[in-house]
Amino acid sequence: DQQVKQNSPSLSVQEGRISILNCDYTNSMFDYFLWYKKYPAEGPTFLISISSIKDKNEDGRFTVFLNKSAKHLSLHIVPSQPGDSAVYFCAASGGNTGKLIFGQGTTLQVKP
Amino acid sequence: NAGVTQTPKFQVLKTGQSMTLQCAQDMNHEYMSWYRQDPGMGLRLIHYSVGAGITDQGEVPNGYNVSRSTTEDFPLRLLSAAPSQTSVYFCASSYQVGMEEQYFGPGTRLTVT
Repeated sequence: DQQVKQNSPSLSVQEGRISILNCDYTNSMFDYFLWYKKYPAEGPTFLISISSIKDKNEDGRFTVFLNKSAKHLSLHIVPSQPGDSAVYFCAASGGNTGKLIFGQGTTLQVKP
Repeated sequence: NAGVTQTPKFQVLKTGQSMTLQCAQDMNHEYMSWYRQDPGMGLRLIHYSVGAGITDQGEVPNGYNVSRSTTEDFPLRLLSAAPSQTSVYFCASSYQVGMEEQYFGPGTRLTVT
């Protein structure tokens, strides 16, 4: 049973445009959500997070939106750059356990 | 700081062999964990530790053992390797439980034939 789902395996966007990556979750006990970015042959690196008490968090070109009623979060990248091309994972945790549940990942390609 | 280091980078095992994947961090992090990444599956938690001497199971613990004798090291042992354990393994750490921003190592690519 996949508790965190990224239903789009891939996304292609033109440089300068907005990239929107989506993530859905089923467990209402999740109270913290994160996005990680992964380049080939490297470990994931933390990108941005959001607590369940907020509905938006912004960091430079990256904004994460949380819709708790829909159990949905999204990552917006504006403007997209070729260096943003990577696999993006959303992850969720709950109960202060530190255990992260990851989605399957979305491969973003930003074309020059 | 070296951050989170993992050895080896690559390993090929025959079915039934055992081996230990090493993970170390020099950030004095309490929390450490092991994940495996498989195509279409994302990262799945194998085992984790909230401090020296304390370990617990994650989503997919079968076939793996861990121990945490020091704060710095968190080795993952495969007791009898199986082809289903072919995967990329990542170790991660964070300062304390609840600090969900975890730092990942570069990974170990394991093939079991």
